[in-house]
Amino acid sequence: DTAVSQTPKYLVTQMGNDKSIKCEQNLGHDTMYWYKQDSKKFLKIMFSYNNKELIINETVPNRFSPKSPDKAHLNLHINSLELGDSAVYFCASSQSPDRGNEQFFGPGTRLTVL
Amino acid sequence: GNSVTQMEGPVTLSEEAFLTINCTYTATGYPSLFWYVQYPGEGLQLLLKATKADDKGSNKGFEATYRKETTSFHLEKGSVQVSDSAVYFCALRASGGYQKVTFGTGTKLQVIP
Repeated sequence: DTAVSQTPKYLVTQMGNDKSIKCEQNLGHDTMYWYKQDSKKFLKIMFSYNNKELIINETVPNRFSPKSPDKAHLNLHINSLELGDSAVYFCASSQSPDRGNEQFFGPGTRLTVL
Repeated sequence: GNSVTQMEGPVTLSEEAFLTINCTYTATGYPSLFWYVQYPGEGLQLLLKATKADDKGSNKGFEATYRKETTSFHLEKGSVQVSDSAVYFCALRASGGYQKVTFGTGTKLQVIP
């Protein structure tokens, strides 16, 4: 009965590689998000999609490319990985972008770039 | 722009102590305010929220009141338990259009028996 799931949970890779993280939600929500959490627990929004349309695109290197094939999925592809990309990446969803709606978070993907 | 400031941690308390984690915000209009909790190795989950001034959010013994006059949303609990040990995030979402959620830097709480 997982609400927001991410795969993989752990990802260890070499600098320069390309990797993807997948996210799926079964809550019927319209809006999905990607966040990056650094080692100090600081949480930063990267992208948000509403009904498969990109609505928030923060200042993120263009090596990061989100893709939403349908409302239930939001994947994150990262090209040419760098050491500074090491972090925990969280996917989240909400019913809509409305200000009162809570976000439901996935368990996170811990990315380590060597 | 919008911002959230919360007290730095870590906060270490003995079991059954009173907890306060301060949170103040800067935003235009009438934002919604949230407290999220992150247990070790997990994603964030909503603890409580308030969507208008003077609203009180409450859950699992935690509560926070939306104070527009002081732009604050302090988290309180009367008697903490070891199981409350986690990182607590204050957050806001502004009104109007597609607004992102702005999170505070998080406050780590450790409760010792």
